[in-house]
Amino acid sequence: ILNVEQSPQSLHVQEGDSTNFTCSFPSSNFYALHWYRWETAKSPEALFVMTLNGDEKKKGRISATLNTKEGYSYLYIKGSQPEDSATYLCASKDYGQNFVFGPGTRLSVLP
Amino acid sequence: NAGVTQTPKFQVLKTGQSMTLQCAQDMNHEYMSWYRQDPGMGLRLIHYSVGAGITDQGEVPNGYNVSRSTTEDFPLRLLSAAPSQTSVYFCASRPQTNTEAFFGQGTRLTVV
Repeated sequence: ILNVEQSPQSLHVQEGDSTNFTCSFPSSNFYALHWYRWETAKSPEALFVMTLNGDEKKKGRISATLNTKEGYSYLYIKGSQPEDSATYLCASKDYGQNFVFGPGTRLSVLP
Repeated sequence: NAGVTQTPKFQVLKTGQSMTLQCAQDMNHEYMSWYRQDPGMGLRLIHYSVGAGITDQGEVPNGYNVSRSTTEDFPLRLLSAAPSQTSVYFCASRPQTNTEAFFGQGTRLTVV
């Protein structure tokens, strides 16, 4: 089973700050990486699907990069807003069947 | 636009009781899966199915059974509930194994 790690476990930022967090995964046999946003009392929702080394994806103020050779992905949030408060999950897949989820980074944006 | 529908949202069971968590999707997705989410841990895969009639074990299958008689439905059965099965359960579906997952609303289960 893949070991997928995320850091930090949690962080608090002020409204307007930019922030980033990390997802680490095994680089061998890499197939795909997904980022999800999970708001309290809701279901996780997909943010990005990334497959190629060097991939950069952007959705509004949120962007992600992927380095498959060294086994990490960064998620960036520019100008954090209170509505960005959520847990951000990454999930990595090798050439097997299933994605393995990291434990998540819980972001709190203080007004 | 129902997506993935899970029932119930909340459930309290006594140790030893059995129950079935229901999951249905209307997107004609082949791949369905069940996860449990515990504090400090990521979503852990319990069982999954790559199509009707096909199921397989995930990372933490003990104490759970599944079946996939139709493309739409993927129920999860707890055979004899234990306090260690207190968790939040999510059902998810995907069009294919490498595509993004669509999650149900979750079921918060407490076993006393």
